[in-house]
Amino acid sequence: EVQLVLSGAEAKKPGESLRISCKGSGYSFTNSWINWVRQMPGKGLEWMGRIDPRDSYTNYSPAFQGHVTISADTSISTAYLQWRSLRASDTAMYYCARQGNNYESFYDHWGQGTLVTVSS
Amino acid sequence: DIQMTQSPSSLSASMGDRVTITCRASQGISSSLAWYQQKPGKAPKLLLYAASRLQSGVPSRFTGSGSGTDYTLTISSLQPEDFATYYCQQYYSFPLTFGGGTKVEIK
Repeated sequence: EVQLVLSGAEAKKPGESLRISCKGSGYSFTNSWINWVRQMPGKGLEWMGRIDPRDSYTNYSPAFQGHVTISADTSISTAYLQWRSLRASDTAMYYCARQGNNYESFYDHWGQGTLVTVSS
Repeated sequence: DIQMTQSPSSLSASMGDRVTITCRASQGISSSLAWYQQKPGKAPKLLLYAASRLQSGVPSRFTGSGSGTDYTLTISSLQPEDFATYYCQQYYSFPLTFGGGTKVEIK
């Protein structure tokens, strides 16, 4: 069974750094792109970016480029989403999602979500 | 960026009703469209991709159609478990974008 398991909820202060993780299991981790999606409280879904775990090639949405970093460690089948300096506006639920195939960026499996709260 | 406009933003329907949700892209997306269902507190779930291909395990009462810029998701006979929010997503070009969502509520 394919599973994506995210790290737990985080409460941080503005300006702090943070890395959340997404561990894949039940499939070959290097065979599928991992995408990150943000959902702000009560709002819709926003694509942040993605990584090909085979070579760590990344694509970012311009809305998030430069503010977050996506990485992966294939030795532990884990993808990461990282911030160097959090803002209050980063408060949201974050999902990782696996692409259905390498050519079409729709998502057939999703992690359960990680809630990030940024408040002074 | 390709803008995805969903309508309606919400609707009330009864069990057994036929429900149609529309998604319009700001430019042609060649059927590179997926539909997701999200229930409160849960991750989205893939229903259809390539505009009309049903994801494995999804009931056949969910159908998708469309081409060019206009796409629809139809639920043929609404079931209790279908009350949720539905999102379309284009994957024709980057950045990938989602529609604003349609919340299906019980009448």
